[in-house]
Amino acid sequence: AQSVAQPEDQVNVAEGNPLTVKCTYSVSGNPYLFWYVQYPNRGLQFLLKYITGDNLVKGSYGFEAEFNKSQTSFHLKKPSALVSDSALYFCAVRDRGGATNKLIFGTGTLLAVQP
Amino acid sequence: DVKVTQSSRYLVKRTGEKVFLECVQDMDHENMFWYRQDPGLGLRLIYFSYDVKMKEKGDIPEGYSVSREKKERFSLILESASTNQTSMYLCASSLPTIGYAYEQYFGPGTRLTVT
Repeated sequence: AQSVAQPEDQVNVAEGNPLTVKCTYSVSGNPYLFWYVQYPNRGLQFLLKYITGDNLVKGSYGFEAEFNKSQTSFHLKKPSALVSDSALYFCAVRDRGGATNKLIFGTGTLLAVQP
Repeated sequence: DVKVTQSSRYLVKRTGEKVFLECVQDMDHENMFWYRQDPGLGLRLIYFSYDVKMKEKGDIPEGYSVSREKKERFSLILESASTNQTSMYLCASSLPTIGYAYEQYFGPGTRLTVT
């Protein structure tokens, strides 16, 4: 069965410091991987996705994510955090062999960036 | 820009009432989804639809039904609302994804409280 794990409920980082939000996955084959962000009282916004090719994927708002097949991870990163990055972040996976666009979401990680 | 709208941001209903949550997308997407979001549980798929009048159960369909009579509109129905259905409900849409993985676009959410 497919699954996604976000091992940290909350990540705290000081503004200007690099940030990492962790995600590991389990699928039967090669995955499609996604990151979404949710600001308070809003829906989810797409940040980036890994389909194939370069293991480092660049997305919106200066975020990037590194796909690591051997560690089955897809960690979200940003070189310099902003207070406005504070939000709830979700990792999601889709089985490449799936016939529909059903995504499995992680439980979310709350990112808190202190001024 | 893709726009997904939901009929209400906040809704308060009584136990036993029939509840309709409406979702409309303006990008001619074939796929539409209903999720519920609960703290610590992430997003869980209730139902999805891959075409007009076509639907499939997600991971937690019990107590819910759906209707898709037109391509742009996907309705979630709580036949007899219960307090354990108090949650944030998110609608999403996407292009069909055979052989690829398009991102899902989310609406702002409806926070439903059942008293």
